[in-house]
Amino acid sequence: AQSVTQLDSHVSVSEGTPVLLRCNYSSSYSPSLFWYVQHPNKGLQLLLKYTSAATLVKGINGFEAEFKKSETSFHLTKPSAHMSDAAEYFCVVNTFYGNQFYFGTGTSLTVIP
Amino acid sequence: EPEVTQTPSHQVTQMGQEVILRCVPISNHLYFYWYRQILGQKVEFLVSFYNNEISEKSEIFDDQFSVERPDGSNFTLKIRSTKLEDSAMYFCASRGSGQGYEQFFGPGTRLTVL
Repeated sequence: AQSVTQLDSHVSVSEGTPVLLRCNYSSSYSPSLFWYVQHPNKGLQLLLKYTSAATLVKGINGFEAEFKKSETSFHLTKPSAHMSDAAEYFCVVNTFYGNQFYFGTGTSLTVIP
Repeated sequence: EPEVTQTPSHQVTQMGQEVILRCVPISNHLYFYWYRQILGQKVEFLVSFYNNEISEKSEIFDDQFSVERPDGSNFTLKIRSTKLEDSAMYFCASRGSGQGYEQFFGPGTRLTVL
């Protein structure tokens, strides 16, 4: 069975400080993993993806994520938060050749000026 | 850059009425999806569609729902008799084939059932 757990429903950081959004996955097969961002009243935009190549993945807007198989984790990080990063973030898993994508419950990121 | 489009952006309907939500996926994509997001809740998978048939569906996707690709470009979601609890944002997505191809999402249709 496949599933995704986002460990924090809300994260609040000060502008200029690091961001860490946690995601753990469960998958019977080699997964592909994605982070999407959803700004208020907007659709879902891909931040980055892991597809069995390099375990450290760089995405847009300075975000990175590291795939750690031993910990079944795919945490999203950014060294310095910007006000425009305030949004909802979703971790998503897709199994090898699988057609279904499993969403985490989302983490709401607040950036304090 | 190619994108997924959805119409309308907002649909208001009376309970019991039928609605059709429309999506135009990216033209060379082969897999199509519908998701919904009730206000303040997680994104929920409804259905996936490949090769002109449903490949997977969730428990939410009951007999009230149907999908169709009527003309090779549009991908529609029909709700036959809407209920209050169908009020949500509905997202369409498409992707190419093979592992690691991400889904591209449309901007969503907000459905309000009164």
